[in-house]
Amino acid sequence: GNSVTQMEGPVTLSEEAFLTINCTYTATGYPSLFWYVQYPGEGLQLLLKATKADDKGSNKGFEATYRKETTSFHLEKGSVQVSDSAVYFCALTQTSGSRLTFGEGTQLTVNP
Amino acid sequence: SQTIHQWPATLVQPVGSPLSLECTVEGTSNPNLYWYRQAAGRGLQLLFYSVGIGQISSEVPQNLSASRPQDRQFILSSKKLLLSDSGFYLCAWSVVRGTGANVLTFGAGSRLTVL
Repeated sequence: GNSVTQMEGPVTLSEEAFLTINCTYTATGYPSLFWYVQYPGEGLQLLLKATKADDKGSNKGFEATYRKETTSFHLEKGSVQVSDSAVYFCALTQTSGSRLTFGEGTQLTVNP
Repeated sequence: SQTIHQWPATLVQPVGSPLSLECTVEGTSNPNLYWYRQAAGRGLQLLFYSVGIGQISSEVPQNLSASRPQDRQFILSSKKLLLSDSGFYLCAWSVVRGTGANVLTFGAGSRLTVL
């Protein structure tokens, strides 16, 4: 079956530091990959997505590249801000499917 | 534009009491609807999903149930709550078109504390 593995948190960084949150997946075929973000006390919001190999999703300074050879979709940001503090979820779905499989989530705290 | 509403936002209930969480979607028709639970310090667990009125798929056996009485209404219920039912419940919707990626849009969540 499908599964998503994220790096364990929590991750604590200083403002303007470089961020990487690792995500690897197991799936049959060619899944679509997503990063969702959950700010404190809120629901999840789609951050970015990629639907085929070598696609790069980007939004709000965050980027992730769909690497089929390493089955990875690592999230990166060159310079984090305090407002980026949140829980980040990696997820996948089969292109024709209706359900998302989520990773466990990674808590990010950015200190001023 | 499409919006999703969830209520109540916060709920404190005693063990053994019933539960009803409601979710409605506006601005779309025949959406796929989902209930997820997020326990403290843990990831998201899919509880139920529905592809149409009266069609409910259960992902995990438990004392919760779901119903879809109308196209854009999804209800999560329990007859008798357990302590382990505490958590953050998220409703979500999606519309899958052709071979496009299935993007979920989430509600703001309902935080349930069972005492």
